[in-house]
Amino acid sequence: AQSVTQLDSQVPVFEEAPVELRCNYSSSVSVYLFWYVQYPNQGLQLLLKYLSGSTLVKGINGFEAEFNKSQTSFHLRKPSVHISDTAEYFCAVSDKNQGGKLIFGQGTELSVKP
Amino acid sequence: DAGVTQSPTHLIKTRGQQVTLRCSPKSGHDTVSWYQQALGQGPQFIFQYYEEEERQRGNFPDRFSGHQFPNYSSELNVNALLLGDSALYLCASSLFGSPNSPLHFGNGTRLTVT
Repeated sequence: AQSVTQLDSQVPVFEEAPVELRCNYSSSVSVYLFWYVQYPNQGLQLLLKYLSGSTLVKGINGFEAEFNKSQTSFHLRKPSVHISDTAEYFCAVSDKNQGGKLIFGQGTELSVKP
Repeated sequence: DAGVTQSPTHLIKTRGQQVTLRCSPKSGHDTVSWYQQALGQGPQFIFQYYEEEERQRGNFPDRFSGHQFPNYSSELNVNALLLGDSALYLCASSLFGSPNSPLHFGNGTRLTVT
């Protein structure tokens, strides 16, 4: 069975500082990996995805993530955060043969302070 | 181009009652998936519909059922509501069999069971 572990439930950071949100997954099959963001009282918005190819993936709003197969990790990074990045971030995995069924982590609350 | 729309936005029901939630997929999408997001948790996969049939199902009891209509819209039905069914219910749409078509989420229906 697949599972996703987000290693930090809360990450406080000051504006313009860099941030890394950590995600590890376990799976016995090949997977696709995703990061979603959820603002209060809204649904989830896709930040970026890894399907294949280059292990460094760039997404929207200046975020990027690196797929590390040997460490089964997919950490999300941003070199300089803004107040508007304050939100809940979810890492997710799907089996390449079961599109549409995402397994989500518990989420990381990013809080950007001025 | 309308995204995924869900109705109603909020709903309050009493334990033991039944509820129906509705979802219209993003234009061009043919597959609808439903997720349950309890407070402070990541979304959990309930089931997926394509061509009016349930294609995949998560670990949810038979009290949770669904339907997809010829226009690709979908309903989620929950019978014999329990207090633990209180959650944000998210609908997501995609294009079947296309890994380059990630899930697009609606803003959800907030169900409160009293």
